[in-house]
Formats: sequence, C-alpha cells, structure tokens
Amino acid sequence: DTGVSQDPRHKITKRGQNVTFRCDPISEHNRLYWYRQTLGQGPEFLTYFQNEAQLEKSRLLSDRFSAERPKGSFSTLEIQRTEQGDSAMYLCASSLSSGHPYEQYFGPGTRLTVT
Amino acid sequence: DQQVKQNSPSLSVQEGRISILNCDYTNSMFDYFLWYKKYPAEGPTFLISISSIKDKNEDGRFTVFLNKSAKHLSLHIVPSQPGDSAVYFCASRLGKLIFGQGTELSVKP
Repeated sequence: DTGVSQDPRHKITKRGQNVTFRCDPISEHNRLYWYRQTLGQGPEFLTYFQNEAQLEKSRLLSDRFSAERPKGSFSTLEIQRTEQGDSAMYLCASSLSSGHPYEQYFGPGTRLTVT
Repeated sequence: DQQVKQNSPSLSVQEGRISILNCDYTNSMFDYFLWYKKYPAEGPTFLISISSIKDKNEDGRFTVFLNKSAKHLSLHIVPSQPGDSAVYFCASRLGKLIFGQGTELSVKP
C-alpha cells in the first residue's frame, strides 16, 4: 500500500503532556499538509510544507504546536502541554505541486483524546 | 467566519434515485472547488473537482455543478448506490483548502 500513513492511529494523553504524531506521505509527493477535524466539522487547515520548507501556518496553530519535515519526506506534528480542547482527529495529506495540486490524498488520521 | 457551508448535515436517498448534495461559499476568489468522500475510520478521498471558470464537470455517476452568481455548488450522484453511503465534504481552494462541515449521505437499498 503506497498511500499516506499516520502513526499512531489513536492517542490518549493527560492534560499537560506532550504528544507527537508522524505522517508518511506518498513517496513522490513534495507537498504535505496537516489538518485538524473536530466532531461535526470538516477538516481545518493547520500548516503545509513544500519539500522541507513550511510555507504556511494557520492562526489555529498556536505556539504549543510545531510541525517539521526535516528531509522533505515524513513529517511530525508535536503538541506541547496538551489541553482538552486539543482533542480531535489530526489528518495528514500529501500532493504534488505540479499537475493537479488540489488533489490531496489523506491519511487515516490520528485521533487524540486529552483527559 | 464559515466561508464554506453545507447546511444539510444528513441526507437519505433510495437506491437508484438521485442524490443531490449542496454547498454554499462566500469568497468569490476561490479558484477550484472539490468534493471529498469519507468513510468511517478512513481519511477523506478525493471524488471530483471543478474549476471556477466552468459550470459543470462530470465523471461517471458524479456531476458537480457550479453557480458562481449564487456562490453555490452541488454534487449529483445518479444512480445512487448503497456503497455511496458516506460523509461528503465540499472544499474550496484559495491556496489552501477550506472545507464545509460535511453531509452524511445514506443510500437505502
């Protein structure tokens, strides 16, 4: 299977703890996106990378959130000092910057529960 | 400020009939509009898209219509099949994608 993969699929943590999620995009895709989805809502854009460069960050991405894509391949999203409001599904997607850049391929997501 | 809205949280249709999912947007600068389908425990999958310079795009059983003057797009599925039961998200592109809240479609045999 050469789709987008995310790890872990589920994470339960206590408030105040740090968590880190990983995303492995489709190998030839140079763009990688992070979204957050809460119940009854569509995915909300958080940030995106082209290769290793982080090109845009949403205002939703507070200073407790940081994302990296050190070698232009996989990416990590870290949340420090988690809060209950961080409970959500975190989705990763990848695409090409040429051809049809609007066609983003999503991974299955990481469901975060902060207790 | 919800720039993309799907006002119907759910829709139920009989197998073989037409499903029509609707989406409204506010920003006339969006250049592409997309529909994604999501099954439980999976990420959204791309379904069909339309450029802002067109008013219709068709792909098999799926057709997307764009009415720029009304800032409205719709997805038609004909004929509907039970396997189409999923949550459908519309999304508009302005650099990044902005998604609506989703409509849960249930196609009954």
